[in-house]
Amino acid sequence: DVVMTQTPVSLSVSLGNQASISCRSSQSLLHSDGNTYLSWYLQKPGQSPQLLIYLASNRFSGVSNRFSGSGSGTDFTLKISRVEPEDLGVYYCFQHTHLPLTFGSGTKLEIK
Amino acid sequence: EVQLVESGGGLVQPGRSMKLSCAASGFTFNNYDMAWVCQAPKKGLEWVATISYDGSSTYYRDSVKGRFTISRDNAKSTLYLQMDSLRSEDTATYYCARHPYPYYWYFDFWGPGTMVTVSS
Repeated sequence: DVVMTQTPVSLSVSLGNQASISCRSSQSLLHSDGNTYLSWYLQKPGQSPQLLIYLASNRFSGVSNRFSGSGSGTDFTLKISRVEPEDLGVYYCFQHTHLPLTFGSGTKLEIK
Repeated sequence: EVQLVESGGGLVQPGRSMKLSCAASGFTFNNYDMAWVCQAPKKGLEWVATISYDGSSTYYRDSVKGRFTISRDNAKSTLYLQMDSLRSEDTATYYCARHPYPYYWYFDFWGPGTMVTVSS
């Protein structure tokens, strides 16, 4: 199985500052079709997860442009610029290049 | 508006069975692959199973293969998860989620989840 390693486990950020979350996969997520099947989700307290980024760097409809995804191969990053109170929650990366599909263990974002 | 609403969760004894349902609305259900994702209490997310738009193909994580069956009724716009031989480690909130395109298996919409507790 592809292991998705997220760092840090938790992150405390002041409002208005930038947050950065790393996700590393144990195998390359570049598919033979040329796509990189890596997505990011935010699970706010008491809610189901919501899609932020798909195909490593594409922002989902309605997602603030303060969220950006980058990376390739095995190393990926989610950046949140100008952190706002509604950004708090747990962030997960997810790969669907290889079966079984696997999530990272999550990064908890707290607001200072 | 896309809506996914799970039902069927509750308390069940180890070794028994339970069937979850997910009622879909706001989109053409039979055009989309669908999935179940679970989350044990205070833990992270785990993909459970995926089914193709027409039900012809199914995929499972190893820990549920042979015990869980994902299925769908496109006429009723409903997704199912039949869970047999339940174990305490299956205790989790189960989310129904939509894959946006065939084989593009990220999740663009999620239901609110239904809680399954396996305990004697």
